[in-house]
Amino acid sequence: RKEVEQDPGPFNVPEGATVAFNCTYSNSASQSFFWYRQDCRKEPKLLMSVYSSGNEDGRFTAQLNRASQYISLLIRDSKLSDSATYLCVVVYNFNKFYFGSGTKLNVKP
Amino acid sequence: GAVVSQHPSWVICKSGTSVKIECRSLDFQATTMFWYRQFPKQSLMLMATSNEGSKATYEQGVEKDKFLINHASLTLSTLTVTSAHPEDSSFYICSADDRATNEKLFFGSGTQLSVL
Repeated sequence: RKEVEQDPGPFNVPEGATVAFNCTYSNSASQSFFWYRQDCRKEPKLLMSVYSSGNEDGRFTAQLNRASQYISLLIRDSKLSDSATYLCVVVYNFNKFYFGSGTKLNVKP
Repeated sequence: GAVVSQHPSWVICKSGTSVKIECRSLDFQATTMFWYRQFPKQSLMLMATSNEGSKATYEQGVEKDKFLINHASLTLSTLTVTSAHPEDSSFYICSADDRATNEKLFFGSGTQLSVL
């Protein structure tokens, strides 16, 4: 079983739409959670951390549900520039970073 | 913010040759660096965890004699792909864990390796 599972998509949405991604993880001892964004053939870039209390940064909201072992990312008012692959990352043992396979988002005019 | 420099960005080599990839943390000390491989349309797969001054820890299925990792200083880790073959062609990315910033992971820009 994979450590982290994501729906690969692609999610094709029009500009201005709201889109949500989920990610499930298998290790209940996981300590930290992040969403990263990766553009084609580039390194992943940190988008935001994920906390049980929720974390909002502009149009982006991340949420953690420890009981159900999933994290989510909500993007409101999608922009063309949001088109990318979004990776969820789960950390345990303080230095084991495990990536989901990524969810591809295409925002269309 | 923390910066990780990775070189080279692109490598094209003949089958059977060895390729070395460098990963440097430029403005922080990285006691731990990570090496990932990413095949097209797939996720980053952790290959090994590199600890300064000690042997790297390899993930299951990764050949340690083929992918040599050296982490000789707090700012430099190298990955050497020995006797590269076409199936080793991939995107290799290093990252470093800046403990000072709450376990966030900073990535190098990646190395696209093509073995002919």
